Amino acid sequence: QSALTQPASVSGSPGQSITISCTGTSSDVGGYNYVSWYQQHPGKAPKLMIYEVSNRPSGVPDRFSGSKSGNTASLTISGLQAEDEADYYCSSYTSSSSLYVFGTGTKVTVL
Amino acid sequence: QITLKESGPTLVKPTQTLTLTCTFSGFSLSTSGVGVGWIRQPPGKALEWLALIYWNDDKRYSPSLKSRLTITKDTSKNQVVLTMTNMDPVDTATYYCAHEIAAHRPAFDYWGQGTLVTVSS
Repeated sequence: QSALTQPASVSGSPGQSITISCTGTSSDVGGYNYVSWYQQHPGKAPKLMIYEVSNRPSGVPDRFSGSKSGNTASLTISGLQAEDEADYYCSSYTSSSSLYVFGTGTKVTVL
Repeated sequence: QITLKESGPTLVKPTQTLTLTCTFSGFSLSTSGVGVGWIRQPPGKALEWLALIYWNDDKRYSPSLKSRLTITKDTSKNQVVLTMTNMDPVDTATYYCAHEIAAHRPAFDYWGQGTLVTVSS
């Protein structure tokens, strides 16, 4: 099972919006509405930001939103803030025997 | 509230077997729908899902590591144990355990702090 493809880095200025893509196949991202997104600050455990493509857990700011089109899912951060600087990983259910597959990760830099 | 914590050796030698324990609170693995998984992250690299066990003892493994992994649960102790055989330096990573958000809804909503395991002679 190959990892989902994400851009290595994305940057933006405070207040701007950025979008991180996550590309898979019809056996994972494209076939199921089970895409999730995690934020990870250095030295910390990942934090769930989005699940089932576009649902936010309690406590996650509504600046974070998720969507999906075909085999590509996206995480959009609106009104970028300094504390959003972190690594972000997507994950999807996969119909292969593995159940879960993670993305390659994206480093978000706030300029 | 839900908490999880990983424990185990910080250093293992090549070819040895690694045993990690996830001790959790705030939920029970005897409750229908509950699942606990293991994920690892080599230094500076991406997350990699390893294994997951459900309340009904259904177990799932990463295909690439399936032959080396065993996941078990001890409901009375609120623990999940992961064993990985034939450890290699490439297995050096931070190992996390995590709670699945709901029955067969693939996302992890609570994570342990992680434990760094180094494989070296």
